[in-house]
Order: sequence, then C-alpha cells, then structure tokens
Amino acid sequence: QQPVQSPQAVILREGEDAVINCSSSKALYSVHWYRQKHGEAPVFLMILLKGGEQKGHDKISASFNEKKQQSSLYLTASQLSYSGTYFCGTEVPGNTPLVFGKGTRLSVIA
Amino acid sequence: GAGVSQSPSNKVTEKGKDVELRCDPISGHTALYWYRQSLGQGLEFLIYFQGNSAPDKSGLPSDRFSAERTGGSVSTLTIQRTQQEDSAVYLCASSLRIHSSYEQYFGPGTRLTVT
Repeated sequence: QQPVQSPQAVILREGEDAVINCSSSKALYSVHWYRQKHGEAPVFLMILLKGGEQKGHDKISASFNEKKQQSSLYLTASQLSYSGTYFCGTEVPGNTPLVFGKGTRLSVIA
Repeated sequence: GAGVSQSPSNKVTEKGKDVELRCDPISGHTALYWYRQSLGQGLEFLIYFQGNSAPDKSGLPSDRFSAERTGGSVSTLTIQRTQQEDSAVYLCASSLRIHSSYEQYFGPGTRLTVT
C-alpha cells in the first residue's frame, strides 16, 4: 500500500521552515527519506527504524510515530539547495521491499 | 568509488519492439532494485535481487517484464513487445543488503520512450 505524502507541493522563501508528512495505512517497520533534484537520481537522506529516531543531516531531521503509522521530515532554515522532490519509502514487517510515496515537490526561492 | 551506472541513458523504441536496460551496481552490494518513475509519479517498485536468493518479482506489471542478475552483479531489465504506457524513467538502485537499515544508492536512470 503506497504511503500518502502531504503536502504535494510547497514553496518556501530562504530561511523558512517546512514539514513534510508521510502516512501509511499499515504498521511500519521503517521509513526512508530521499530527495530527488530535477533530472537527477534520488539521494538518500535518512532512515528511521521502529523504536528509534535518526537525524541524517544538520538542519534536516525527521520523526517516526509508530502508533500513528506516520513520519514527518523537518527542514529548518531552508536553503536554495533544499529544492527538489522528497520521497518517503515505507517498509512493513516481513522483509518486504520499500514502497515509495508520490513525493512532495519543494521549491525554495530567494 | 564508482556509483551505480545504467545504460543506455536514453532509449527510443517503436511500439512492439523489445528493449534491454542495463544496471551496474556498486561493487560489493548484494541487493539490487529496479524502479519505474513515470512523469509526476513516485518510485514504482518492480523487482529486487538479494544475493543468490530468488528475486522478488511482485512489482512487475506484466509478463512482458523480466529481469536477471548475472554473477550477483550486473542486472538486465527486459521489456518485450513494448507499449506506449511503458514510457518512463527506469531507475536501478543497490544497497549492501536487503535490510531496512541500509540506504539505497540510485543510478542516473534510463529514459525509455515508446513511439
């Protein structure tokens, strides 16, 4: 079951904060976050495992609420380089492959 | 070190023809994945390989799609009798193992256009 990401798109000015949400209808074992810049391959940001929270970057962090079956990605003091499409990938228990959401397009403007 | 490479980078083919897409994973990575990305859509899982285990083919959309991985390294995704709806970017990724704590490294993709 594909996770649902929200918002679908967001425009920020440099220095503003943003939150991207990822929700699943199933119990999750892990959540992965990737960023894809236009015309490029997705690049790994961080993984959140059941029972833990992991910060992958300086001003980009994430939380994982197992009970609510959702994860949120927090981008603080956004920079122009943060622009791109952010994907969450969710894993359910049972050694199953990641299922990615449709992505959230983030645009940071000066 | 070298990342994941894919070839060709672009492929234009006529409807009904067969195509082969190639992926070279990062050396030492035992897990390899194929995804399809249509315009404005997310990453659609197609198939993954883990070492010598049987591949998980649960994401292949039809029996026109097949993939193999030779010698635990290079993988080829084959699409037979291509249709216009097959047009998309096909991404390959590899990771150390098929486990939730391992990040995936993506290749640049092959853009397939079926005319």
